[in-house]
Amino acid sequence: DAGITQSPRYKITETGRQVTLMCHQTWSHSYMFWYRQDLGHGLRLIYYSAAADITDKGEVPDGYVVSRSKTENFPLTLESATRSQTSVYFCASSESLRVEYFGPGTRLTVT
Amino acid sequence: AQKITQTQPGMFVQEKEAVTLDCTYDTSDPSYGLFWYKQPSSGEMIFLIYQGSYDQQNATEGRYSLNFQKARKSANLVISASQLGDSAMYFCAMREGGGTYKYIFGTGTRLKVLA
Repeated sequence: DAGITQSPRYKITETGRQVTLMCHQTWSHSYMFWYRQDLGHGLRLIYYSAAADITDKGEVPDGYVVSRSKTENFPLTLESATRSQTSVYFCASSESLRVEYFGPGTRLTVT
Repeated sequence: AQKITQTQPGMFVQEKEAVTLDCTYDTSDPSYGLFWYKQPSSGEMIFLIYQGSYDQQNATEGRYSLNFQKARKSANLVISASQLGDSAMYFCAMREGGGTYKYIFGTGTRLKVLA
């Protein structure tokens, strides 16, 4: 199906474990983004990518790593999960930067 | 520094009435884009409308329009003829130009449409 997908949709992990959240888009959009959404903060940008092999930090990058070896995929890795990383994570893609399409979100709980 | 302010944490509107959701922003960049998103209780983020800082006319998309007042740095969303399905959280967001892709969001306004 065309669009932007995220997996898993729900994840529970323990403090200190490595976790990877997957994001896949079928439009070949150049730009991709990772956000986290916490109560009272709206959405905050973690990392973004302007093209394959080009990534840069957003507002809250600490504790996260991204890669983009292929245009359609933009995985987000939590190297050593902490409770403060419990959140809803959204991936998004855009071609023009005038419209941004969001994935369905991943609800991550770190215990 | 970029800043987005949504001062209305919650609002009510009667079905079929129009409602305005407020958004003010602050930036020193002359090139920027303003966005509104809807987030229903199901959690997905739905793009509604975009306004570029150099766009001459206010943006409209169906029942949504953006009341862009550049001098006042406001970008209010107007929803006409409210429907029960419009009940959701609404976020205003801004992206500056100049090669940065950083995007900041307001804290949102929860709209409840009453039958």
